[in-house]
Amino acid sequence: DVKVTQSSRYLVKRTGEKVFLECVQDMDHENMFWYRQDPGLGLRLIYFSYDVKMKEKGDIPEGYSVSREKKERFSLILESASTNQTSMYLCASSPLRRTGGGEKLFFGSGTQLSVL
Amino acid sequence: ELKVEQNPLFLSMQEGKNYTIYCNYSTTSDRLYWYRQDPGKSLESLFVLLSNGAVKQEGRLMASLDTKARLSTLHITAAVHDLSATYFCAVIYNTDKLIFGTGTRLQVFP
Repeated sequence: DVKVTQSSRYLVKRTGEKVFLECVQDMDHENMFWYRQDPGLGLRLIYFSYDVKMKEKGDIPEGYSVSREKKERFSLILESASTNQTSMYLCASSPLRRTGGGEKLFFGSGTQLSVL
Repeated sequence: ELKVEQNPLFLSMQEGKNYTIYCNYSTTSDRLYWYRQDPGKSLESLFVLLSNGAVKQEGRLMASLDTKARLSTLHITAAVHDLSATYFCAVIYNTDKLIFGTGTRLQVFP
């Protein structure tokens, strides 16, 4: 079974702190994604990466950055956390479509981040 | 920019009844996904629809895709309490980006 592991289930941070959310997948997938989920807004794509050191902005990249130094690990960074970044953060991975993948995303269990 | 809209946002239905959730999207795409999320849990893949006219069924859920109308439906037949969850549709955009709808929260009561 594909496993996507997010390092923390719950996280509480203070305004202005630098926050790292880590995600690791064990299926050698090329694609990795970070979404945030807010009530009534569904899932919104923050960033995604299709290869090591490659990244593309999603729909709401402001206030976030990402790092993908190894294929299995995709980190989301909040440079200076703000209260409006309180949310559920979901990491996902999938194979590249041209390799026959892209059939579905595999999601981690999520990190509920509260910024006080 | 691709927009994905679902309706209704909230659905309360009685056990044994039928209902349909709708998913509209704004630009051409060749695959559409349905996911289920239970409270406090992550997302679980239900269906992948790959072509116009595609229909997939599992248990009391049936999903269909009309790419010309840019519309997918998720039909619930004879609802049971275990189907209570939030359902998301999602559409592929720019090769590998997956854009989600707002979700439909389904509650099934006796």
